[in-house]
Amino acid sequence: DAKTTQPPSMDCAEGRAANLPCNHSTISGNEYVYWYRQIHSQGPQYIIHGLKNNETNEMASLIITEDRKSSTLILPHATLRDTAVYYCIVKGAQKLVFGQGTRLTINP
Amino acid sequence: GAGVSQTPSNKVTEKGKYVELRCDPISGHTALYWYRQSLGQGPEFLIYFQGTGAADDSGLPNDRFFAVRPEGSVSTLKIQRTERGDSAVYLCASSWDGNNEQFFGPGTRLTVL
Repeated sequence: DAKTTQPPSMDCAEGRAANLPCNHSTISGNEYVYWYRQIHSQGPQYIIHGLKNNETNEMASLIITEDRKSSTLILPHATLRDTAVYYCIVKGAQKLVFGQGTRLTINP
Repeated sequence: GAGVSQTPSNKVTEKGKYVELRCDPISGHTALYWYRQSLGQGPEFLIYFQGTGAADDSGLPNDRFFAVRPEGSVSTLKIQRTERGDSAVYLCASSWDGNNEQFFGPGTRLTVL
């Protein structure tokens, strides 16, 4: 599975959009980009995934560049409950390979 | 329906003892995964079941670790001769099949004294 690179931490003001970047320059054509988050002391929570088109659901939007070497997770109106570690994962086989993720802190 | 459940939520044991950790997946999910998370790290894959069989056990660290899923539903992770380095949160996840999003349980925090 391809390796991903994320900033270790980010801050965002409550009510603003949180944009979390991820680089995955070695991604293969059949590998999906998945995003999970982990709130303190809980199991990881699925957010969204995509192959090459942009995706949106009730939680977030996923923007994947045309060359698929990077992506951005967008939380449109961040709340305090969105404070968590966010993991960008490139998934080829069935298992998930987690990196260190981005610790996102939403500030009031 | 209910999500993935794991029991116990916490387990404290002594070095050298045997422990069993249980995972109840979401009903109807054929794929089940075990991960281990050490403090400050992301989860680390251990083993993946498709039905009753272990389709990928490449993440099991050594032969002290073993997992079963005899009826294709509940799974048990078994650790023999526990060591202090086994202390971690053990996470279980399930998915409809091996190609869909995984739903995680709350984890079992194992502490080996």
